[in-house]
Amino acid sequence: EAAVTQSPRSKVAVTGGKVTLSCHQTNNHDYMYWYRQDTGHGLRLIHYSYVADSTEKGDIPDGYKASRPSQENFSLILELASLSQTAVYFCASKDRDRGYEQYFGPGTRLTVL
Amino acid sequence: GQQVQQSPASLVLQEGENAELQCNFSSTATRLQWFYQHPGGRLVSLFYNPSGTKHTGRLTSTTVTNERRSSLHISSSQTTDSGTYFCAISNNNAPRFGAGTKLSVKP
Repeated sequence: EAAVTQSPRSKVAVTGGKVTLSCHQTNNHDYMYWYRQDTGHGLRLIHYSYVADSTEKGDIPDGYKASRPSQENFSLILELASLSQTAVYFCASKDRDRGYEQYFGPGTRLTVL
Repeated sequence: GQQVQQSPASLVLQEGENAELQCNFSSTATRLQWFYQHPGGRLVSLFYNPSGTKHTGRLTSTTVTNERRSSLHISSSQTTDSGTYFCAISNNNAPRFGAGTKLSVKP
């Protein structure tokens, strides 16, 4: 079964600080995604990538950067964390050629104070 | 951009009752998926169903593409079905999710 791990699982950050969320997948999937989920809402796509060393903007990229240094790793970077970025962040991966099923990580709960 | 509307927003059932969850979308989606989020937060894919009807266990997904709607039917609900169900569409590789239907099944 596809394995997607995220670190840290939770984090408290200060406003204006830099935050890096990491995602690692072990199934050689081409696509990786970063979503955020606010309490009581669905997922919104921040950034995604379909190949190493390349990232694409999703629906809400402002305030976030992404990095895909290898096929296995995908990071989300908040250069200047703000209160409004408090949310749960999910990473997911998907194989390009084998169906459309996404495999999700367990999520990272980020609280910005 | 593409819009995804789910209804109802929440649903409470007694164990054994059936549920019908609806998803309406604003464009002809080539990829319609249903996801389930456990109460603890874990997300899993349920169906990829761009058109027609698919079954798995007590779950049935029916998508009518030209009417821009999909439904998820849960038969003989169980308490373990409690959680939130999302539909998502994408015409490229950037999925867009609905706000979800929160299902609570009482014993």
